[in-house]
Amino acid sequence: GEDVEQSLFLSVREGDSSVINCTYTDSSSTYLYWYKQEPGAGLQLLTYIFSNMDMKQDQRLTVLLNKKDKHLSLRIADTQTGDSAIYFCAETPWRRDDKIIFGKGTRLHILP
Amino acid sequence: NAGVTQTPKFQVLKTGQSMTLQCAQDMNHNSMYWYRQDPGMGLRLIYYSASEGTTDKGEVPNGYNVSRLNKREFSLRLESAAPSQTSVYFCASSEMSGQPQHFGDGTRLSIL
Repeated sequence: GEDVEQSLFLSVREGDSSVINCTYTDSSSTYLYWYKQEPGAGLQLLTYIFSNMDMKQDQRLTVLLNKKDKHLSLRIADTQTGDSAIYFCAETPWRRDDKIIFGKGTRLHILP
Repeated sequence: NAGVTQTPKFQVLKTGQSMTLQCAQDMNHNSMYWYRQDPGMGLRLIYYSASEGTTDKGEVPNGYNVSRLNKREFSLRLESAAPSQTSVYFCASSEMSGQPQHFGDGTRLSIL
């Protein structure tokens, strides 16, 4: 079945790099996404990658896609207190391109 | 640049009352979605509308109805609210089905 899994919590010191990992089941996914949710707010689309790409970089964010292992990661360089949020991994399964499958989210906690 | 606008932001209802949550997008998107977010459950799709004039059930449609009023607006109705429907409700839109979704800020609904 379709599933997206990610760890629930991650703690990182301010200034270090954060790496949030995600695994998915559909090897034919077309898009893979990272969303950010701050307390009391909606989900903000941070970045997304097409399934034919291995890497995408956007300022402090780097997305890596390993299709063989069905593994997606989000690296945040120089983590700041403003990065404290829940990060959701998501995919569009190829056979179900009418919807997006979301993971349950990773809560990123920044240590001083 | 409003994006996706949801009203109201907060609402308290008594069991058995009815209510309509409103959603409008100004991005000329074809597809719109309603999700609910509960602790430990992640995001669950209630209903979606792939294009104007069509609606389909998602993962948890029971107790809800939707109307795609026009291309901009997609409403969610609770006919007879139940405490199990206490949740945060998010509306989202995308240019086409399966493409990156953009979210509103949510409606926090409590059913007493």
